[in-house]
Amino acid sequence: DAGVTQSPTHLIKTRGQHVTLRCSPISGHKSVSWYQQVLGQGPQFIFQYYEKEERGRGNFPDRFSARQFPNYSSELNVNALLLGDSALYLCASSLVQSPNTEAFFGQGTRLTVV
Amino acid sequence: AQKVTQAQTEISVVEKEDVTLDCVYETRDTTYYLFWYKQPPSGELVFLIRRNSFDEQNEISGRYSWNFQKSTSSFNFTITASQVVDSAVYFCALSKGTGGSYIPTFGRGTSLIVHP
Repeated sequence: DAGVTQSPTHLIKTRGQHVTLRCSPISGHKSVSWYQQVLGQGPQFIFQYYEKEERGRGNFPDRFSARQFPNYSSELNVNALLLGDSALYLCASSLVQSPNTEAFFGQGTRLTVV
Repeated sequence: AQKVTQAQTEISVVEKEDVTLDCVYETRDTTYYLFWYKQPPSGELVFLIRRNSFDEQNEISGRYSWNFQKSTSSFNFTITASQVVDSAVYFCALSKGTGGSYIPTFGRGTSLIVHP
């Protein structure tokens, strides 16, 4: 079975541009979460989606948005990129929305904003 | 508010040494979950263990063991007879257990370097 897949793996963007990151969860998983991990820090929660609805949002500006599709894949969009948005963006999927359910992480998308 | 503190930024050991990674947490919830994840250089977070706040039994899994003490709000992780393959960044995380969305809070991580 394929694990959580994220695309692209690496990305370089210019300040002010827009970016879309994609995540395909493990087959059968209905919950997807997004995290931002700045170099040297732990992952910071951005969004959680379950059954195509937003179920949680971290402390990020409105430039960050996401959605989940009927096949449970997800996109994270970031507008008006800033240098500080440079980070590893991780996607995690789980069967349901519960802390008692193991979350599986993808290898992330490394975003560099120049 | 939830907080997870991993005071050790980096630990360097020689293979076969035992090593303990510390994790101290803060929460007002009575029901919560604690996690440890391993992040190898490839980037993905690998789940190691989950413990709920009502289960203070220590756990051992092969060379890994975890010591959960509510009295000191700590959830420490010990690797016995460390190996080079254990080199990675290890994260401790905390999630509330009831109500609302289960937003996890991660510590800043401890980088473990195991030298041959």
